[in-house]
Amino acid sequence: DTEVTQTPKHLVMGMTNKKSLKCEQHMGHRAMYWYKQKAKKPPELMFVYSYEKLSINESVPSRFSPECPNSSLLNLHLHALQPEDSALYLCASKLAPNTGELFFGEGSRLTVL
Amino acid sequence: GQQVMQIPQYQHVQEGEDFTTYCNSSTTLSNIQWYKQRPGGHPVFLIQLVKSGEVKKQKRLTFQFGEAKKNSSLHITATQTTDVGTYFCAGLHGSSNTGKLIFGQGTTLQVKP
Repeated sequence: DTEVTQTPKHLVMGMTNKKSLKCEQHMGHRAMYWYKQKAKKPPELMFVYSYEKLSINESVPSRFSPECPNSSLLNLHLHALQPEDSALYLCASKLAPNTGELFFGEGSRLTVL
Repeated sequence: GQQVMQIPQYQHVQEGEDFTTYCNSSTTLSNIQWYKQRPGGHPVFLIQLVKSGEVKKQKRLTFQFGEAKKNSSLHITATQTTDVGTYFCAGLHGSSNTGKLIFGQGTTLQVKP
């Protein structure tokens, strides 16, 4: 299994809603990532989990809250988002923080109304 | 901050013509990776270069890493419509202890049949 699976694929939410994005991998990777990607831009790093511990938070607003329940799962909890947060949210994983390539999921396309 | 500059931003070619995208870093890189993102898709890993002056080929794609490990290029010979997409380089800086990849801005390739 060489896949990173993300759900949902599409999400529309209001500014007062609470929702979560989910990511799963079964490759035994110990580094997991959340990226945000706007149209015609590169992926922008948000959070990194290394061995289930948060190792990088790229000064992301607190309305985004990551969670790593175990080595295979990564969640991104969303609350009180703004319309400018509309983007493609990509989960990725790597064998280890300093080793190997990123395996990206297909992304969750988020629209905030 | 650490940046990886990538040019050109866009390239339109006739099918059968060659294409090259270039990445440049102001500081030495430990390695550089290349990703391809098809329209509506997610980034997919193509290759990693580690050694100074390294050249790797994948069919019609040729990847180079500069002698100083500060620049890299991707050359596609005789483009096909299946080559359409955005190509990103992503560098790991030599001083990094986080494993954080720095993405270039991407080059979007359009191929006219």
